Amino acid sequence: AQKITQTQPGMFVQEKEAVTLDCTYDTSDPSYGLFWYKQPSSGEMIFLIYQGSYDQQNATEGRYSLNFQKARKSANLVISASQLGDSAMYFCAMRGGAGNMLTFGGGTRLMVKP
Amino acid sequence: DTEVTQTPKHLVMGMTNKKSLKCEQHMGHRAMYWYKQKAKKPPELMFVYSYEKLSINESVPSRFSPECPNSSLLNLHLHALQPEDSALYLCASSQDGTSAYNEQFFGPGTRLTVL
Repeated sequence: AQKITQTQPGMFVQEKEAVTLDCTYDTSDPSYGLFWYKQPSSGEMIFLIYQGSYDQQNATEGRYSLNFQKARKSANLVISASQLGDSAMYFCAMRGGAGNMLTFGGGTRLMVKP
Repeated sequence: DTEVTQTPKHLVMGMTNKKSLKCEQHMGHRAMYWYKQKAKKPPELMFVYSYEKLSINESVPSRFSPECPNSSLLNLHLHALQPEDSALYLCASSQDGTSAYNEQFFGPGTRLTVL
C-alpha cells in the first residue's frame, strides 16, 4: 500500500520569501510519480509540478521546484519568492502501484503574509 | 488546452431528487476520474474510466451512477442522496490510466449540497 504524509497542517510565510512544504511517501513499487497540486479556496485542483521515480534531476517549474530525495523518500515542494496569490491548500500526491491510482497526502495550508 | 470543465458549479438538491453532474475535456485524454472531497480533506477517488470503460469503482454506493458517453464526456448521475453526500465533486482526466507518470488535470468542481 502507498502512503503520503504531509506533516505541516498549516504554515505562514512572509511575502517574497521562499517556503518549503514537506512531503514523505512510502511505497514498495520502484516505478511511481510524485505530484504537487494547489487548491485555492475556489476549489479547483491546480497541477504544479511532477517528478518521476527514475528522474535524476529535481523538477522545476517557474517558482516551483521539487526537492526529490529518493533514499529518504521525500518530495518537498519549494516555492521561491512567495506571492499573496500563493495562499492556498497544497497537496502532495503519488501515483503508482496496482492500478496507478493517485494517493493524496492530508494537505498543507499555506498562508502568505503581506 | 489543459482545461477540464464541470457543470454546474453549485447544486442544491433534496434527498428525493435526481440530478446529474457533467464533466468535459478536449485534451484527447483516455482516462477520466470522479473524486469526492469533504471540507479540509484530500480528494477521495470514486470512479475511473479508461478508454470509456469503467475500470475502478471504489465501493461507491449505488445512489451514485457514473456514465461515460464518449471519450470527452463523463457524467455522474445522482439519486436519493443523503445529507452526508454533500461535498465538492471533482472530475479529472489524464492521458491514460495505466501510467504512473501522467499527471491528472482537474476541473473546478461542483459543490453539492443535499438537503
